[in-house]
Amino acid sequence: GIQVEQSPPDLILQEGANSTLRCNFSDSVNNLQWFHQNPWGQLINLFYIPSGTKQNGRLSATTVATERYSLLYISSSQTTDSGVYFCAVEYGNKLVFGAGTILRVKS
Amino acid sequence: DAMVIQNPRYQVTQFGKPVTLSCSQTLNHNVMYWYQQKSSQAPKLLFHYYDKDFNNEADTPDNFQSRRPNTSFCFLDIRSPGLGDAAMYLCATSGERDEQFFGPGTRLTVL
Repeated sequence: GIQVEQSPPDLILQEGANSTLRCNFSDSVNNLQWFHQNPWGQLINLFYIPSGTKQNGRLSATTVATERYSLLYISSSQTTDSGVYFCAVEYGNKLVFGAGTILRVKS
Repeated sequence: DAMVIQNPRYQVTQFGKPVTLSCSQTLNHNVMYWYQQKSSQAPKLLFHYYDKDFNNEADTPDNFQSRRPNTSFCFLDIRSPGLGDAAMYLCATSGERDEQFFGPGTRLTVL
């Protein structure tokens, strides 16, 4: 099956700092999603990004499908950005999740 | 707003006592999913419905069943919950674009 690896596993930022989260996958995929899991457990859709670059406020994402990776950029981080960030790829008609990156933003 | 709704948000049951979790959606999506997420782990797919067609993951325990009486509703039945079934249960839906949208989850405690 496909392997989805996220890095770093943990990240601590000072409020206002920027960060880049990475997702590598081992095979061609139909699409890729980035989620933020908030402290209450809900998975919030950030990006649906099978290829290319998208931006939404302070967040942006880039997927290079031919090289099998995606990046999530968080700029000017805020404490509300804390939580777990998951990358998930569609493979064989189901979503396969990476292990996540735990982000803590300190004020 | 179109959304995925899960009830209850918190469920406490006793060891071996059947429990049902519910999910409803106003997105009119044809696919609905149930995931189990244990602490510090990624969500794990249990099963999904493509319209009325049920698809069970190979490693989903027989203890877990699901029903989808109509497009809007889907239920997860745990026939005899064990301590190892304590987890967050997430419902998701997807439509034509295959982008999945998740509900807020039900956190299950087994005493």
